[in-house]
Order: sequence, then C-alpha cells, then structure tokens
Amino acid sequence: GAGVSQSPRYKVAKRGQDVALRCDPISGHVSLFWYQQALGQGPEFLTYFQNEAQLDKSGLPSDRFFAERPEGSVSTLKIQRTQQEDSAVYLCASTFRSRQYFGPGTRLTVL
Amino acid sequence: DAKTTQPPSMDCAEGRAANLPCNHSTISGNEYVYWYRQIHSQGPQYIIHGLKNNETNEMASLIITEDRKSSTLILPHATLRDTAVYYCIVEATGGTSYGKLTFGQGTILTVHP
Repeated sequence: GAGVSQSPRYKVAKRGQDVALRCDPISGHVSLFWYQQALGQGPEFLTYFQNEAQLDKSGLPSDRFFAERPEGSVSTLKIQRTQQEDSAVYLCASTFRSRQYFGPGTRLTVL
Repeated sequence: DAKTTQPPSMDCAEGRAANLPCNHSTISGNEYVYWYRQIHSQGPQYIIHGLKNNETNEMASLIITEDRKSSTLILPHATLRDTAVYYCIVEATGGTSYGKLTFGQGTILTVHP
C-alpha cells in the first residue's frame, strides 16, 4: 500500500513568513511523529501524537512551532515567523508494531 | 543525548558482507536495539530490531552480545544501493514508552564497486 507522504517536498520561505507542512500517515496507524533534521545531522524528535492527542511536544524548539492532528490521521506542522535557523528537513513517521515508517520529508529553506 | 556509539564511516566492497558495529554500554533491560538507515535525500528506513536474541530478516542480521552492551548489523551481500547512513538506536517500547527514536550521528557506509 501507499507509504507516508509529505507535502510540499520543498518549501522556500522568506524570514518572518508562516509555513504549514503536511503529513499523510499510513492509513490506520495510530502513532505519528515529527522530526527535524539539520544538514549533516541525525533527525531530532519534535512531537508525538496518538490518534488526535498530542502526548509529547517536548522537542518543539520554540512556541513558534505548532502541530496538530485534529481527526487522528493527517497532521500539520506549522511554523510561525520563520527564522533562518528553522531551515532543515522535516520528517514525519507513523508507527506499526514498533517500526516507524518515515515519509520523504519536507526540505524547508528560510532566506 | 544518543545512547550509542558508532564509527563515523566505513567502506565495503560490493558483494561482500558489511559489518556495522554499535556500542550501547548503558542499555537498560527494557530497551531494544534498533537499526535504521537513511539513503541520501530519503527518510530513514527501518532495518531490524532486537532485545537480546540475534535476529535475521530479509534485509540484514542483528547480532547482540550476551551482555547487550554492543551489537553488530550485518548486511550479508552489500550492493551499491546499500550506501547510506546507518543509525543504531536504543529505545524502550511498550508500556509507558511510546518509542520515540533518539538518533545519533550514525555510520556512513559506502559500498564500492
């Protein structure tokens, strides 16, 4: 079946602009994660959802970052007033039987 | 902080076995050893995981030492498409833990023709 999809694949934003990144998990997967991957680094945890409940948002770097999953399927990561340090690849993963299935990521470049 | 230590890079000849080591000396009794890999410009891909017994699947084998302080991922016949960053991760799953992954720097495996 279809894997995890993310859109857009690439996003260029001007500093101060708001962006919204979308994740479509594998159908039926209850758990969903967001990670941030800076250039040359491993992914870092941002937040975790179980169905529509956001159970852990300890990795969100600032209050400019907000994530939601209102119906327990599609999730959106929103970044307000983007800064250059927000430039990274944002990865989404859904989980089944202790395995995380990752999407291709959204590469965000803030100019 | 990542709980594992891996060599930053390794090389392997195509067709040969690739053996990727990982040290996790502070692993707890309820923590599993996971291996993921990330091919350039793609999201990480699950390879294999285990608790204390050796595991094998269609992609690889995982050998965990008896004291569980280290492990080795074995790709039995490496191909050029196995060139990737390989991450060894220890995490608890089940119960109150929901399986958040803590990635380190990983090992860059380059498979040569």
